[in-house]
Amino acid sequence: QVTLRESGPALVKPTQTLTLTCTFSGFSLSTSGMCVSWIRQPPGKALEWLALIDWDDDKYYSTSLKTRLTISKDTSKNQVVLTMTNMDPVDTATYYCARMFFGEGIDYWGQGTLVTVSS
Amino acid sequence: EIVLTQSPGTLSLSPGERATLSCRASQSVSSSYLAWYQQKPGQAPRLLIYGASSRATGIPDRFSGSGSGTDFTLTISRLEPEDFAVYYCQQYGSSSGFTFGPGTKVDIK
Repeated sequence: QVTLRESGPALVKPTQTLTLTCTFSGFSLSTSGMCVSWIRQPPGKALEWLALIDWDDDKYYSTSLKTRLTISKDTSKNQVVLTMTNMDPVDTATYYCARMFFGEGIDYWGQGTLVTVSS
Repeated sequence: EIVLTQSPGTLSLSPGERATLSCRASQSVSSSYLAWYQQKPGQAPRLLIYGASSRATGIPDRFSGSGSGTDFTLTISRLEPEDFAVYYCQQYGSSSGFTFGPGTKVDIK
């Protein structure tokens, strides 16, 4: 059974760095073809893809946010970590982590965690 | 970065009717790496279609995907009450980013 769960602060202040952890089970990120992505969704708005890390430790980032994002993995702990620097109120959103098998779309999603940016 | 445009923004239909949703890419999507997702309020998205036309596990056959290159379509042959939701397309074939479209809301007429 595949599960993913996001954890991190619910509230961050402007200019701070956000660190989110995705803890997953039911699959291994060392399996060829396996990937984990981060996606966010501001309240009432569309999905926005942020970053992806694959089984080979290759990393991909949103063009518009790449200077602020870092994605990493700890395969032994079944965790993927996303950091986003210089947070702003417009970054208020539900942040999802999700699994993708290469070429097959995002098939499992976490429940999401709402992050509010406010002073 | 590949930009996806979805049309229409909102589709108002009755149960039993056919829904046709469009997703257009600003440049060709590699290997038809195009997926469709359904999202209901308060829920995470659900994968419907990947590879432009392959149904994900457990997805009813009233959902079908087609297209290649820059033009893709999601068709729901006969709308069921549970199909009223927001639908997103996503391309995942570009190393410059795996972008989502802005979504199409299918609501009850």
